[in-house]
Amino acid sequence: GAGVSQSPSNKVTEKGKDVELRCDPISGHTALYWYRQRLGQGLEFLIYFQGNSAPDKSGLPSDRFSAERTGESVSTLTIQRTQQEDSAVYLCASSLLADSPLHFGNGTRLTVT
Amino acid sequence: GESVGLHLPTLSVQEGDNSIINCAYSNSASDYFIWYKQESGKGPQFIIDIRSNMDKRQGQRVTVLLNKTVKHLSLQIAATQPGDSAVYFCAESPLSGSARQLTFGSGTQLTVLP
Repeated sequence: GAGVSQSPSNKVTEKGKDVELRCDPISGHTALYWYRQRLGQGLEFLIYFQGNSAPDKSGLPSDRFSAERTGESVSTLTIQRTQQEDSAVYLCASSLLADSPLHFGNGTRLTVT
Repeated sequence: GESVGLHLPTLSVQEGDNSIINCAYSNSASDYFIWYKQESGKGPQFIIDIRSNMDKRQGQRVTVLLNKTVKHLSLQIAATQPGDSAVYFCAESPLSGSARQLTFGSGTQLTVLP
């Protein structure tokens, strides 16, 4: 079946603009994660959704970042008033259950000019 | 929080040779460890995992070794192939199988030479 799908694959935006990144998890996966990956670095946890529980937002770096998830389906990560330091690859992952292996999408490469 | 680090940022090996990628961790409460492979332009792909009650686990051409005494993890790839060229990340979690609490290292770039 289809894996985790993210769109767009690349996004170039001007400083100060808002951007919205989309993630379609694997069907039936209850858990969904967003990570940020800066160039040459590891993955930085941003936010976690599990079923109908309140999301774990503890990794969001500032209040300019927010994310939503519709049920156990699509998630969107929104970055308001983008800054150059927001430039990174944003990765989404889903897992069948909270303790199941993660399946990653190919990410959205965000460049803020 | 505590960090997971890698000894070498880059590793070059000849095709057919064995590769060993190392990872050090500092959290003594770490219970679950995973290796991921990330090819250029793609998301990380699960390779193999190991729990702290084991010191060795084997997969297809890959072996993970865990030394809890010195907090060291390694990934061995047998008969390295060009398709193995990628960045390899280790990740650790303080709770068994808790993906939410995974901490990732910065990665090692493996290059397979012809």
